[in-house]
Amino acid sequence: NAGVTQTPKFRILKIGQSMTLQCTQDMNHNYMYWYRQDPGMGLKLIYYSVGAGITDKGEVPNGYNVSRSTTEDFPLRLELAAPSQTSVYFCASSFTGSGANVLTFGAGSRLTVL
Amino acid sequence: GQNIDQPTEMTATEGAIVQINCTYQTSGFNGLFWYQQHAGEAPTFLSYNVLDGLEEKGRFSSFLSRSKGYSYLLLKELQMKDSASYLCAVMDSNYQLIWGAGTKLIIKP
Repeated sequence: NAGVTQTPKFRILKIGQSMTLQCTQDMNHNYMYWYRQDPGMGLKLIYYSVGAGITDKGEVPNGYNVSRSTTEDFPLRLELAAPSQTSVYFCASSFTGSGANVLTFGAGSRLTVL
Repeated sequence: GQNIDQPTEMTATEGAIVQINCTYQTSGFNGLFWYQQHAGEAPTFLSYNVLDGLEEKGRFSSFLSRSKGYSYLLLKELQMKDSASYLCAVMDSNYQLIWGAGTKLIIKP
């Protein structure tokens, strides 16, 4: 049981490049999330999904896109990378979206945009 | 706006007790969570409070007062492995999690 798997762990991008962060979970969780974590700040929600085929914007969606074609996969696409997107990105999943909504996080992806 | 406040950093001694406070102002309340995050790693779930009072789980306890918008995480018999950041998060009326910036706990021998 791998939990939530993110790839890559590290990536350096040039300004204007694009890339996709991959996220897969094997717990049959309905809810999946993408967060970014910047130094001295709380986790910020980028996008989330309540099930296959359904996605919605979080607090900081600009510059990102997501898709949810299967229950297991929730990739995050960065188009036209900017230095402001330098951050650590965490994918997470949960069985429910309310109540004791315990999140299981992936190991994180550290992205640097130069 | 919505806000979660936690101390930025705390230092404690191995074997001692430490209390990490969290105050919140959110639009609605549907529960408060504490997560532990070791440096360079993912956050992991510690506790959940939705009713007032104390929840105890081994060496860790979490307290909630909804009327005061206040919670604390109490760590007893501190061990070196407890050196980590502790994140407080509140679920608002829309079931969205609002996260504090985290408290970095340094344990000294």
